[in-house]
Amino acid sequence: KNEVEQSPQNLTAQEGEFITINCSYSVGISALHWLQQHPGGGIVSLFMLSSGKKKHGRLIATINIQEKHSSLHITASHPRDSAVYICAVVDTGNQFYFGTGTSLTVIP
Amino acid sequence: DSGVTQTPKHLITATGQRVTLRCSPRSGDLSVYWYQQSLDQGLQFLIQYYNGEERAKGNILERFSAQQFPDLHSELNLSSLELGDSALYFCASSVLGTGLYGYTFGSGTRLTVV
Repeated sequence: KNEVEQSPQNLTAQEGEFITINCSYSVGISALHWLQQHPGGGIVSLFMLSSGKKKHGRLIATINIQEKHSSLHITASHPRDSAVYICAVVDTGNQFYFGTGTSLTVIP
Repeated sequence: DSGVTQTPKHLITATGQRVTLRCSPRSGDLSVYWYQQSLDQGLQFLIQYYNGEERAKGNILERFSAQQFPDLHSELNLSSLELGDSALYFCASSVLGTGLYGYTFGSGTRLTVV
C-alpha cells in the first residue's frame, strides 16, 4: 500500500497549456512538499504546504487537509518545465513518504 | 549551487565493500536528511539527524549507518554492499528538525555497485 499516490504518472503537454498534477495521501501529516527533479537528477524543493495555497511565479500548489489531497498547477507551461514532479509528505512522527512522481514533458 | 555539498558525486565499488558518503548542510541548517533513490523503488527516506542527534529513521538497512558531527556535516556509511544498493543517494538540509520548513537538496552521490 502506498501512503502517497500521484496522478498522472506521465503527462505530455503543448507549450502554453495549463497543467495539473494531483497527490493523495493516507497518513496524518505535518507538511506536504512538492519537489522537482530534472533529467540530470538534481532535486529542487518547490513548495512546502501545511494548509491553503501557495504561488511562486507560474506554479501554484494547493492542499485540502480534510480530503488529504494536494494539487500542483503550472500555468502557461514551457519546455523548461519538463521534469519529474514528486509529492512528498512528512507525517507527525517525522517520517517521509514519497509519491512515485509525475513525468512531465512540455512540447514547444 | 544549492549550498548543500555532497561528495563524492560518483562512486563505483564492488560487492561486499564499504563506502562513506559525505554531506555538508547549507550554512545555518541544523538538520540533515538522507534519501535513497533507486530505479525500482523511487525515493525513500533513510534517516534524519538534528544538531548531532538522530531524529527520525526510515527504511534504512542494518548494513547502513549514519552520523552527524559537531560541525554538522553528516556521513552515511554503507557496508557489505550488494548490487541492489546501486542508487542515487541524496542529502537535504533544513533549518529546524521538523517538516514545517523547506528543504535544500544536494546534487546527490551516484553509487554503482558492480
